[in-house]
Amino acid sequence: AQTVTQSQPEMSVQEAETVTLSCTYDTSENNYYLFWYKQPPSRQMILVIRQEAYKQQNATENRFSVNFQKAAKSFSLKISDSQLGDTAMYFCAFTYNNNDMRFGAGTRLTVKP
Amino acid sequence: GAVVSQHPSRVICKSGTSVKIECRSLDFQATTMFWYRQFPKQSLMLMATSNEGSKATYEQGVEKDKFLINHASLTLSTLTVTSAHPEDSSFYICSARSSNQPQHFGDGTRLSIL
Repeated sequence: AQTVTQSQPEMSVQEAETVTLSCTYDTSENNYYLFWYKQPPSRQMILVIRQEAYKQQNATENRFSVNFQKAAKSFSLKISDSQLGDTAMYFCAFTYNNNDMRFGAGTRLTVKP
Repeated sequence: GAVVSQHPSRVICKSGTSVKIECRSLDFQATTMFWYRQFPKQSLMLMATSNEGSKATYEQGVEKDKFLINHASLTLSTLTVTSAHPEDSSFYICSARSSNQPQHFGDGTRLSIL
């Protein structure tokens, strides 16, 4: 069974600072995809970043980057130059073979002015 | 723009009524649609997987007779909550994918049963 663990229920960061959200997962699959989703109060699921397991290079999207450690099954999200609009719930997610997504419990991030 | 449309976005109804939620893929033909439920301050939990033209596959603990799923076309799946009760109040989100499209999520439906 695939499981996703987010061990930080809540995090806070000062505006313009950098914060890292942790995620670990467990799978016996070799080819899979990992995601970070942002869910603001509107509850839309907004894709932040995606990583293919077969790619060694860490994905980056502007201020968002990941540290993908396949052997350790770790997939952390780094947000640089945090902005007030980054305040939201962040979910780490896993999928393989076009199956459904399995989500972590989420981390509530608050960016403080 | 949105590639998956979910309707309605908000429903308030009396206990005992049935509620239908629609999930449409706008720009592609969705061979598979997924229905998730999210209770307050919790994560998304898969309820069922819906493949076009076949019966949905339900996760353990999800009553298939209560949560009816129909995926009659490649662009539409519906979830009907039958005889809804207050404990069914939740946020329901669909997602859709095809062989050459990753999963796209709808904007969700907030269901409140009085």
